[in-house]
Amino acid sequence: RKEVEQDPGPFNVPEGATVAFNCTYSNSASQSFFWYRQDCRKEPKLLMSVYSSGNEDGRFTAQLNRASQYISLLIRDSKLSDSATYLCAVTLWEAGTALIFGKGTTLSVSS
Amino acid sequence: GAVVSQHPSWVICKSGTSVKIECRSLDFQATTMFWYRQFPKQSLMLMATSNEGSKATYEQGVEKDKFLINHASLTLSTLTVTSAHPEDSSFYICSSGLAGGRAKNIQYFGAGTRLSVL
Repeated sequence: RKEVEQDPGPFNVPEGATVAFNCTYSNSASQSFFWYRQDCRKEPKLLMSVYSSGNEDGRFTAQLNRASQYISLLIRDSKLSDSATYLCAVTLWEAGTALIFGKGTTLSVSS
Repeated sequence: GAVVSQHPSWVICKSGTSVKIECRSLDFQATTMFWYRQFPKQSLMLMATSNEGSKATYEQGVEKDKFLINHASLTLSTLTVTSAHPEDSSFYICSSGLAGGRAKNIQYFGAGTRLSVL
């Protein structure tokens, strides 16, 4: 079983749609959780950190369920510019360890 | 915010040549630098962890003699792909971070190096 698994893509949605991505992680020792956005042939850029209490940044909402080892990302009112690959990532310890990435889910928003 | 500068951004080379990729932390001291590789439509996979002043730690299946890592200063880590072959063609990317506290293990990525071996 892979350490971080994500929904298979691609997700093709119209502008204005709400889309949800899911991610599960296998190691219960995982400490930090993130969603990254990666555009084609570019480095990943941090979208948001994910906390048990949930966090929201504009149209983006992330949730963490430690008991189920599950992370989610909700995008509301999708924009054309949201088209990208979304990567779920975890780290095992609080600091100084590498990110373990999921394979990513591709989102394509069309007009 | 913290910045990691990586170059070159794109390399095309002949099979058998060696390629060096540099990553510099521009406004912070990077005691640790992570090196990842990403094949098309795949995830970023950790290759090795570069530690300033000591030997790098390689992930299982990554040949340390093929992927030479040097981290001689707190601001520079290099990855050299020795005797590159077409199967080494990939997107190589480094990252480092401001660990702990408010930063909560946020990693800052270089822009990546796309290597094409002919």
